[in-house]
Amino acid sequence: QQQVKQSPQSLIVQKGGISIINCAYENTAFDYFPWYQQFPGKGPALLIAIRPDVSEKKEGRFTISFNKSAKQFSLHIMDSQPGDSATYFCAASEGPYSGAGSYQLTFGKGTKLSVIP
Amino acid sequence: ETGVTQSPTHLIKTRGQQVTLRCSSQSGHNTVSWYQQALGQGPQFIFQYYREEENGRGNFPPRFSGLQFPNYSSELNVNALELDDSALYLCASSFEYRGPQHFGDGTRLSIL
Repeated sequence: QQQVKQSPQSLIVQKGGISIINCAYENTAFDYFPWYQQFPGKGPALLIAIRPDVSEKKEGRFTISFNKSAKQFSLHIMDSQPGDSATYFCAASEGPYSGAGSYQLTFGKGTKLSVIP
Repeated sequence: ETGVTQSPTHLIKTRGQQVTLRCSSQSGHNTVSWYQQALGQGPQFIFQYYREEENGRGNFPPRFSGLQFPNYSSELNVNALELDDSALYLCASSFEYRGPQHFGDGTRLSIL
């Protein structure tokens, strides 16, 4: 059972454009939603994270939008640059804020982003 | 501040063998989690260690086992290797089990 569904699988965006990646989850006990960026040959790097009592969080060019009722969240990359070309993973876990649950991260399958000049 | 380091970088084994992978947590972190990342997939949680005790386990068989040492470094052991065990094994550390998890660059394990 895939608990976090991520789309699209791949994305091509022109330099300066907006990249949008979407995720949907099923487990209503999830209370922590991070996004990770992974370059080839490297481990995932934490980009930005949100908790479910916040609808939006912005850090630089990266924004997470969160819709608790729809059980969906998304990553927006503004002014996309070729250096942003990487695979992006959404994830979710129980526990960090509720104090209960497994704390393990459940990942989506990833989105390969290519930003073309 | 030293990040999460894993060794070795690459490893080739044959079916039925045993393997040990190592992880040094980021300075100040006392929790280590292990993940398996198959090619083209997201990481899957194997288990977590907090203060030298297992603190949660994913859907992996008992031939996957681990240890955490007093300095918070950790080992992942896999017995009776199978072809499907070929993957990137990632270690993540955090300050307390609730904290944000920061990953190392992984060990690429290939089973022949």
